[in-house]
Amino acid sequence: QVQLVQSGAEVKKPGASVKVSCKASGYTFTSYYMHWVRQAPGQGLEWMGIINPSGGSTSYAQKFQGRVTMTRDTSTSTVYMELSSLRSEDTAVYYCARAYDSSPSWYFDLWGRGTLVTVSS
Amino acid sequence: QSVLTQPPSVSGAPGQRVTISCTGSSSNIGAGYDVHWYQHLPGTAPKLLIYGNSNRPSGVPDRFSGSKSGTSASLAITGLQAEDEADYYCQSYDSSLSGWVFGGGTKLTVL
Repeated sequence: QVQLVQSGAEVKKPGASVKVSCKASGYTFTSYYMHWVRQAPGQGLEWMGIINPSGGSTSYAQKFQGRVTMTRDTSTSTVYMELSSLRSEDTAVYYCARAYDSSPSWYFDLWGRGTLVTVSS
Repeated sequence: QSVLTQPPSVSGAPGQRVTISCTGSSSNIGAGYDVHWYQHLPGTAPKLLIYGNSNRPSGVPDRFSGSKSGTSASLAITGLQAEDEADYYCQSYDSSLSGWVFGGGTKLTVL
């Protein structure tokens, strides 16, 4: 079954870091790029960055540069998104989303169910 | 504030037709980048509905259609059904931001 399974909800204090995982199954992990997208409460979707599971190269949205790190583990077909220096505005549902190509006009054909990250003191 | 602009909400009775607009600019939709649409029910994974402006993935009913013109795109849903009640998002790429961008989402209510 082709799917992306994400890790469970997290509660973090301001200033801490969070690492969310996304495990792929049912397809060749290294044949698809993986994006991370988040949705804050009552807000729309916001793109965070992309990782190439094959070589590990990454590209991040300017807004998150310096705070986000995306990595992958090909042995477990899992990608990770770590966000540091958390603040209350980072409270959101974080999604991983698959794309076959990294070209700008490509789309996300498979999404995870999301991971709720709550930042609260 | 989202880069692509969508109406916050639309509504229609069962069987009716509704359209959802997605307005961008010369650095995204107007630059020629494709527009894609997603259907999202809270608590579930977003689902690809339309790709490449007007193409439907396998399994998506032909009641859903997409179009693009200039700096805007539209999603049309005909023969509205109760199960269509969801949030809909458009997505494209922005060359100024060097990244993928989304609309703010439109909540469809089936009356």
